[in-house]
Amino acid sequence: SQTIHQWPATLVQPVGSPLSLECTVEGTSNPNLYWYRQAAGRGLQLLFYSVGIGQISSEVPQNLSASRPQDRQFILSSKKLLLSDSGFYLCAWSVAGNQPQHFGDGTRLSIL
Amino acid sequence: AQSVTQLGSHVSVSEGALVLLRCNYSSSVPPYLFWYVQYPNQGLQLLLKYTTGATLVKGINGFEAEFKKSETSFHLTKPSAHMSDAAEYFCAVMIIQGAQKLVFGQGTRLTINP
Repeated sequence: SQTIHQWPATLVQPVGSPLSLECTVEGTSNPNLYWYRQAAGRGLQLLFYSVGIGQISSEVPQNLSASRPQDRQFILSSKKLLLSDSGFYLCAWSVAGNQPQHFGDGTRLSIL
Repeated sequence: AQSVTQLGSHVSVSEGALVLLRCNYSSSVPPYLFWYVQYPNQGLQLLLKYTTGATLVKGINGFEAEFKKSETSFHLTKPSAHMSDAAEYFCAVMIIQGAQKLVFGQGTRLTINP
């Protein structure tokens, strides 16, 4: 069966520090991969998605970037974090067609 | 463009009562619709989905939803609420452009009163 792993679960970072969040999927090949952010009391905002290695699409202009160095690995990064980057970050995967997305357990990012 | 509106950011019901969470969508093409549940500090778990076929879909934990094209609705129901149903619920519509993208509603927080 397929599984998705995100780490770390919780992260506290100072303003201006770099960021790297990692997501890996097991049990499937060539998945579509997604990064979402969920701000406190708000819905989910799609940040990036990828349909293959090295293929990244950005949904909103922001201080973050994403990379997909391997088929089942998706990384969210920042060179300098802003206070507004705080939130709950969720990674998800899906296969082609009308199939649902499956979510990881998320990373709670707090910026001090 | 596709969009989703969830009516009521907070819904409170008594244990054993009917749960009704409302979702209306906007889509220029036949929609694919989903309901997800999120427990505190966890990711989203798929409750049920509508793609094609039967308009009444059954999901996990006793939930079901009915797709009504004429009303552009996909409301989530459960006949009898349980304390463990307390969570946040998200309705979503899928956009298929290259990768499938989900457009989420703002969520409805469900509280169950003993």
